[in-house]
Amino acid sequence: GDSVTQMEGPVTLSEEAFLTINCTYTATGYPSLFWYVQYPGEGLQLLLKATKADDKGSNKGFEATYRKETTSFHLEKGSVQVSDSAVYFCALSDGPLVAGNMLTFGGGTRLMVKP
Amino acid sequence: NAGVTQTPKFQVLKTGQSMTLQCAQDMNHEYMSWYRQDPGMGLRLIHYSVGAGITDQGEVPNGYNVSRSTTEDFPLRLLSAAPSQTSVYFCASSLGQGIYNEQFFGPGTRLTVL
Repeated sequence: GDSVTQMEGPVTLSEEAFLTINCTYTATGYPSLFWYVQYPGEGLQLLLKATKADDKGSNKGFEATYRKETTSFHLEKGSVQVSDSAVYFCALSDGPLVAGNMLTFGGGTRLMVKP
Repeated sequence: NAGVTQTPKFQVLKTGQSMTLQCAQDMNHEYMSWYRQDPGMGLRLIHYSVGAGITDQGEVPNGYNVSRSTTEDFPLRLLSAAPSQTSVYFCASSLGQGIYNEQFFGPGTRLTVL
């Protein structure tokens, strides 16, 4: 079945540092890939997505490129801020091959940014 | 436009009690789903619905029931609560598949079963 693997956290960085959170996946079809962010005490919010190979999703300074050859979708940001402290989830949806368009999530990576 | 709402925000149950977690959305979304979030395991799908009157099981359906009598509401019922059901529960909705596949999440319900 489908699965998503993320690097374990927590990841602790100083403000303005470069961020990479690794994400790899296995899927039977041609999935769409997502990054969701969860701020303390809140639900998940979509951060960015990519629907086909070589697509780059971007939002709020974060980027991720859909790499079919390496089955990866790593999240990057050039300069993190304290306000980026949150838990980040990589997820996939196998779309038409999976009824209901439901998501398969990775385990989440907690990011802590210190001033 | 309230988006996806969930009630209650917190709940404590004793083993064997039953309860219903409420979820509603006002975006006229066809697809709705319930996930549970446990440390280190991400979110796992419990049940989902692709429209009123249609429900199906996800990855971890045991101990939970759902129904979808209207487009707006998708309640999750715990028939006989167990400590293993202690978790944070999230409801989500989306317009459909393909380019409409963005899922919107509610704020969550934190459930503790003693």
